[in-house]
Formats: sequence, C-alpha cells, structure tokens
Amino acid sequence: GEQVEQRPPHLSVREGDSAVIICTYTDPNSYYFFWYKQEPGAGLQLLMKVFSSTEINEGQGFTVLLNKKDKQLSLNLTAAHPGDSAVYFCAVRNYGSSGNKLIFGIGTLLSVKP
Amino acid sequence: DAGVTQTPRHEVAEKGQTIILKCEPVSGHNDLFWYRQTKIQGLELLSYFRSKSLMEDGGAFKDRFKAEMLNSSFSTLKIQPTEPKDSAVYLCASSFWDYAEQFFGPGTRLTVL
Repeated sequence: GEQVEQRPPHLSVREGDSAVIICTYTDPNSYYFFWYKQEPGAGLQLLMKVFSSTEINEGQGFTVLLNKKDKQLSLNLTAAHPGDSAVYFCAVRNYGSSGNKLIFGIGTLLSVKP
Repeated sequence: DAGVTQTPRHEVAEKGQTIILKCEPVSGHNDLFWYRQTKIQGLELLSYFRSKSLMEDGGAFKDRFKAEMLNSSFSTLKIQPTEPKDSAVYLCASSFWDYAEQFFGPGTRLTVL
C-alpha cells in the first residue's frame, strides 16, 4: 500500500529564515494531498489541500509544491516567524482506494527562534 | 458551526481499567476516524466509519480497542483493559465523503499508570 516518508523530523530556524519540509510517497496514483499543522495540545489543523493537477499552491506565508515525477510534496515557509512553531504533517489520499483514508507522514517539529 | 469535540481532554487510568473516550463529529459529516498519536509511531488509524458503518478496524488494535458509532453524531472508543503502552493522544476526525479534508478534534491525552 501507499507509504509516506517525511523529512526532516526536526527543523530549527531563525525568524525570517525559510523552512522546507518534504514528503515522498510511493503510489503514482495518489491524487489528493494535504498539509496539516498541529500546535501543542491541539488537534491537526488543515493548512492546504492539493490536487494532483496543481503543481504550485500558494498560501499565506507558504508555498506547497507537488512534483509528480519524483512523487514529492513539499511545504516551503518563506519567512518563518515564531507563530509557525508547530508539528507539520503531510497526508496522502489514494485514488481508488476504499473510503476516505489518509496516509500520514511521521511529522516534522518546526521550531522558529526569535 | 461547531468543530469536532472530544471528551475528556485528559484521562488517567490504572493498568487494567476500562476507559471510554467520546467524540462528536462535525454536523453533517459522513466519515469518522479514530487515530492514536505517539511520537514514535506518529498517527495510526484505529477505526474508520462511513455513515455509521465500520469500514476499517485497525488490525493491530482489535483485541482491546473497540470503537462504536450508535448514531451519526456520536462515537465512542473503548479500551479494555488498558495497558501502560496505551498512553498516547487519541484523536477523532470527521469528513464529508470522499476527497474531502478531515477535521480533527483537540484529542484526549491518555496516561495509563
């Protein structure tokens, strides 16, 4: 079945620096992708939903890139600030699999220091 | 519109006890998920319901974990008997049919002594 590898597991940057988190998936039929943010003591909050037809997705302060050839999904924070400190998860939804299951990456703990 | 609610937020149990965690999905959502979250294993799917029907019951969790959905607006996860290795955050999520994002509750942090 689908497997998702996420790296790095920990990332520490200074305020104003960029931060990049990468997920690699295995199933070329994967169709929908998600990035979630989890702050301490909270559930996962959706950052962005990405369809396989769109390679570049812009959000507030971040960009999500989808490289279908290499089966990679990346989250790029352009100028990180302390409020971005959280755990980030990528998730992949298979096309054609039963139901609405998501396969999650292991998560990346991002620390943004002032 | 209310999001996914989970109760209790924190639970402390003695080894061997039975505990029941509760979840109310977003109103109108058809899919409901229970996950266990640990630092080592990340997010593991425990159960998945579609329109109250059990679609998946995580194989490794079948013997002591039982999720139920008696109506479309309420689900429970029973762990019986609890073991210290069950200490984790249990997350409930819901979504509206296929290709939709999952909305997560705040989770229940379980500590088994």
